[in-house]
Amino acid sequence: DTAVSQTPKYLVTQMGNDKSIKCEQNLGHDTMYWYKQDSKKFLKIMFSYNNKELIINETVPNRFSPKSPDKAHLNLHINSLELGDSAVYFCASSHGWQDTGELFFGEGSRLTVL
Amino acid sequence: GEDVEQSLFLSVREGDSSVINCTYTDSSSTYLYWYKQEPGAGLQLLTYIFSNMDMKQDQRLTVLLNKKDKHLSLRIADTQTGDSAIYFCAESGGSNYQLIWGAGTKLIIKP
Repeated sequence: DTAVSQTPKYLVTQMGNDKSIKCEQNLGHDTMYWYKQDSKKFLKIMFSYNNKELIINETVPNRFSPKSPDKAHLNLHINSLELGDSAVYFCASSHGWQDTGELFFGEGSRLTVL
Repeated sequence: GEDVEQSLFLSVREGDSSVINCTYTDSSSTYLYWYKQEPGAGLQLLTYIFSNMDMKQDQRLTVLLNKKDKHLSLRIADTQTGDSAIYFCAESGGSNYQLIWGAGTKLIIKP
């Protein structure tokens, strides 16, 4: 059983389109995250949710909208895609929002914007 | 602000020891972490050390922490081809308990 699963694994789309990435964790964790990893492998946190409540919202364009229907799911919707959005997006989870060091990551969703 | 720095690449021969270094700026960090990212995969927690420890050993892995110099290292003994990956150092000094990440060190194994 995959602990943190995200879909799709690959996404190729045109500029201006809207796309979503879904994430689910079966670890019973309270806290979930979205990270962006650019082409140089630099990792940047985007959002964090604890029990469906937004607790971290870094300086991310408002074209990015996370949604957490329940604490096991955290989806990421991106509007009006731009070339600079091309990256690998990682979902992660942790026991609680104070346990942020022990993160469990999904395998990543590689987004390519043409 | 807080910062974590690592060299981008390290090349070692198979069977040798690898030492990956990291420096950080936030002296209030409670924990420091090493994560491993294999090609095409997500990050996995490899090991961590509590800030009041100097050393932690786990099989082939040895973590050394020098709090005075704010220096963390990860030593991998008898490096194997399966150790090829990017190794990220992170410290727990960010706001809202968030991790501050280094840029990752790519470990390259030569036969």
